[in-house]
Amino acid sequence: QSALTQPASVSGSPGQSITISCTGTSSDFGAYKYVSWYQQHPGKAPKLMIYDITNRPSGVSDRFSGSKSGNTASLTISGLQAEDEADYYCSSRTTSSPLYVFGTGTKVTVL
Amino acid sequence: EVQLLESGGGLVQPGGSLRLSCAASGFTFSNCAMSWVRQAPGKGLEWVSGIGAGGTGTYYADSVKGRFTISRDNSKNTLHLQITSLRAEDTAVYYCAKRPGTYYTFDYWGQGTLVTVSS
Repeated sequence: QSALTQPASVSGSPGQSITISCTGTSSDFGAYKYVSWYQQHPGKAPKLMIYDITNRPSGVSDRFSGSKSGNTASLTISGLQAEDEADYYCSSRTTSSPLYVFGTGTKVTVL
Repeated sequence: EVQLLESGGGLVQPGGSLRLSCAASGFTFSNCAMSWVRQAPGKGLEWVSGIGAGGTGTYYADSVKGRFTISRDNSKNTLHLQITSLRAEDTAVYYCAKRPGTYYTFDYWGQGTLVTVSS
């Protein structure tokens, strides 16, 4: 089972919107809605930003939103801020082994 | 406040063993499935192993199956990962992560413990 495919980097200016894609296979996503997104600042633990494709945990800004179409999930960050500069990983519960697969990771740069 | 505190990492020679631990607090540990996720230096996240809330179901990535053993002590709110036959490619920060209820995600992560496999 390979990692989910994400662009290596995405950049945007403050206030702009950016979208990060996450592409897998039908065995990665299946019919599941179990796609999550994590933010990771350098030297820190990952932080859950989105779960079940579109849901935000309490405390996460509504500037973060998720979606999915077919075998591609997406994370959109609107109103980009300097603090959003970090690595972002998608993840999905799979239909087989391993139980979970992560994306290759995307470095978001705020210009 | 939910806290997950890993320990047990260190420098070990190829073929060696370590036992990682994760002390949990701030939530009902015995109600939550847990996982270990690792991150090699400069690389992405890799799910390694998971265990059900009661400890009866255990799951492993193919890359560690037969070498790693996950376990938990619900009386002590502690998660463990016994890692053996270590290889250079096992060098990574190992995070424990909590799964919230029936959701297939990880809502809290520890700060990680570094395992370095080198002679």
